[in-house]
Amino acid sequence: GENVEQHPSTLSVQEGDSAVIKCTYSDSASNYFPWYKQELGKGPQLIIDIRSNVGEKKDQRIAVTLNKTAKHFSLHITETQPEDSAVYFCAGIYSGYELNFGKGTSLLVTP
Amino acid sequence: KAGVTQTPRYLIKTRGQQVTLSCSPISGHRSVSWYQQTPGQGLQFLFEYFSETQRNKGNFPGRFSGRQFSNSRSEMNVSTLELGDSALYLCASSLDTGGSYNEQFFGPGTRLTVL
Repeated sequence: GENVEQHPSTLSVQEGDSAVIKCTYSDSASNYFPWYKQELGKGPQLIIDIRSNVGEKKDQRIAVTLNKTAKHFSLHITETQPEDSAVYFCAGIYSGYELNFGKGTSLLVTP
Repeated sequence: KAGVTQTPRYLIKTRGQQVTLSCSPISGHRSVSWYQQTPGQGLQFLFEYFSETQRNKGNFPGRFSGRQFSNSRSEMNVSTLELGDSALYLCASSLDTGGSYNEQFFGPGTRLTVL
């Protein structure tokens, strides 16, 4: 099965700075990598995803990069705002149905 | 379009009891997956249903079961509850057009506490 590792577990940045969260995966057959944001008391919210045939994808202040050779992918948040504070999860899909999640990164953006 | 809804939102049970959780997917979505979230283990896959059939199952004991109805709504059941079953149970729905990857959208979860 797939094993997804995520770093760091906690990240504190100042408002306006960039934040980077990194994940690695074990199964080279994995082909889809979503990122979720989870706020306190809520379910995970899909914020961006990338497929194995793409190297980079951007949506406003959020971008994701994928290096298939090294089997790692990263989330980049630019111009961070206090409302970006949340727990972020990376995940990989191997079979098409089962999401394998990283352990999460607690991001704190201080004003 | 309404999102994924889960009921109840909070539940308190005692050891040995059983519990049933309900999930209504986004309209038009035919795949429903269930996940367990705990501080120690993180998010773990329980099972996935499509057209009333279980297509995939995670590494959980047989006390955890589920089903899906013809309208795509799903329920999961946990029998003989243990303290370690205390968790946030999340349901996710997917359109599943038959491609190799499926965007999954999560509900708010059901917080189960076992005393």
